[in-house]
Amino acid sequence: DAGVTQSPTHLIKTRGQQVTLRCSPISGHKSVSWYQQVLGQGPQFIFQYYEKEERGRGNFPDRFSARQFPNYSSELNVNALLLGDSALYLCASSRDRVGTGELFFGEGSRLTVL
Amino acid sequence: RKEVEQDPGPFNVPEGATVAFNCTYSNSASQSFFWYRQDCRKEPKLLMSVYSSGNEDGRFTAQLNRASQYISLLIRDSKLSDSATYLCVVIHNYGQNFVFGPGTRLSVLP
Repeated sequence: DAGVTQSPTHLIKTRGQQVTLRCSPISGHKSVSWYQQVLGQGPQFIFQYYEKEERGRGNFPDRFSARQFPNYSSELNVNALLLGDSALYLCASSRDRVGTGELFFGEGSRLTVL
Repeated sequence: RKEVEQDPGPFNVPEGATVAFNCTYSNSASQSFFWYRQDCRKEPKLLMSVYSSGNEDGRFTAQLNRASQYISLLIRDSKLSDSATYLCVVIHNYGQNFVFGPGTRLSVLP
């Protein structure tokens, strides 16, 4: 079975632009969450979606938004990009809403903002 | 104060050494605890869960002290392949929010 897939793997944007990152969860997983990982730090929680509804949101500005589609895939959108948005964006899927501890991560989308 | 804190590292140890990582968390309502492993430029992967009674998986032992809000990971007989960053993870808010620590990097040297 395929794992969590993310696209694009790498991208470069300039300040003020907008970006959309995509994630396909493991088949049968209904929960998708997004994390931002800056170099040298642990992943920071951005959003969790379960059954197409937002179930949790981390401490990120409104420039960050996401959605989950009927097939459980998800998109993360970031508007008005800032230099500080440069990071690895990780998508993780899990079977259920309530955490069991096993998040399955994709390889991430590495965003560079110039 | 950060919600989850870990030993700053890096830890550089010879093969065969025993190494211990420490993690503290600030939210007393935290419900579940885990160690994840992240190889260089790769995604994090679950290493093991942490239970109050302590649990062991081969060379790895994890312990939780709820009273002190402290979690530990012990690696015995270190292998070169153990070189990675170890992330302490705490779950609260009914599983809606996994809080990762900053990680501790381990390098096992030949």
